[in-house]
Amino acid sequence: EVQVVASGGGLVQPGGSLRLSCAASGFTFSSHWMHWVRQAPGKGLVWVARSSPDGSSTNYADSVKGRVTISSDNAKNTLYLEMNSLRVEDTAVYYCASLDYASGWAAWGQGTLVTVSS
Amino acid sequence: EIVLTQSPATLSLSPGDGATLSCRASQSISSFLAWYQQKPGQAPRLLIYDASKRATGIPARFSGSGSGTDFTLTISSLEPEDFAVYYCHHRSSWPFTFGQGTKLEIK
Repeated sequence: EVQVVASGGGLVQPGGSLRLSCAASGFTFSSHWMHWVRQAPGKGLVWVARSSPDGSSTNYADSVKGRVTISSDNAKNTLYLEMNSLRVEDTAVYYCASLDYASGWAAWGQGTLVTVSS
Repeated sequence: EIVLTQSPATLSLSPGDGATLSCRASQSISSFLAWYQQKPGQAPRLLIYDASKRATGIPARFSGSGSGTDFTLTISSLEPEDFAVYYCHHRSSWPFTFGQGTKLEIK
């Protein structure tokens, strides 16, 4: 069974840090690009970051560039999102996803809520 | 950044009706467009990729068309479970973006 499980969210003060994890199973983790997408409460979807299958290529949204790092541990089939200097506007549900549009492959996790508030 | 504009913002229809949702890109994205369905409290679900290809397990009542800057998602006959928010999304260049969504609600 294909599973993508995000964790690590919680309440953090402005300026704080958090590391999100995304554990994948049931498919070949290292074969697909991995992505983080976020959704602020009641708002639409926003792409945050992506990582190539071998982790050698990464891209970030301008809104998080310099504050966020995407990484993966292929041996553990786990994707990470290290977030620093968090702002109130980073409050959102963060989804991780394994995507390969060439084949129509898509596996999304259930999301983990990050709340940035004092 | 490529901006995707969806219309209408809200569509009120009844089960059995047909639905047409539109997505316009601010510049050509070839066929690198996908459609997602999202229900409250759930992750997005891929329906259509590369403008017209149905994802695995997606019913045939969902179809996509278009290329360049204008795209359409058509639902031929609405089932009760189809009422949700629909997003278009492009992967033509980074940053990937989503449209603002179309809420399909029961009339």
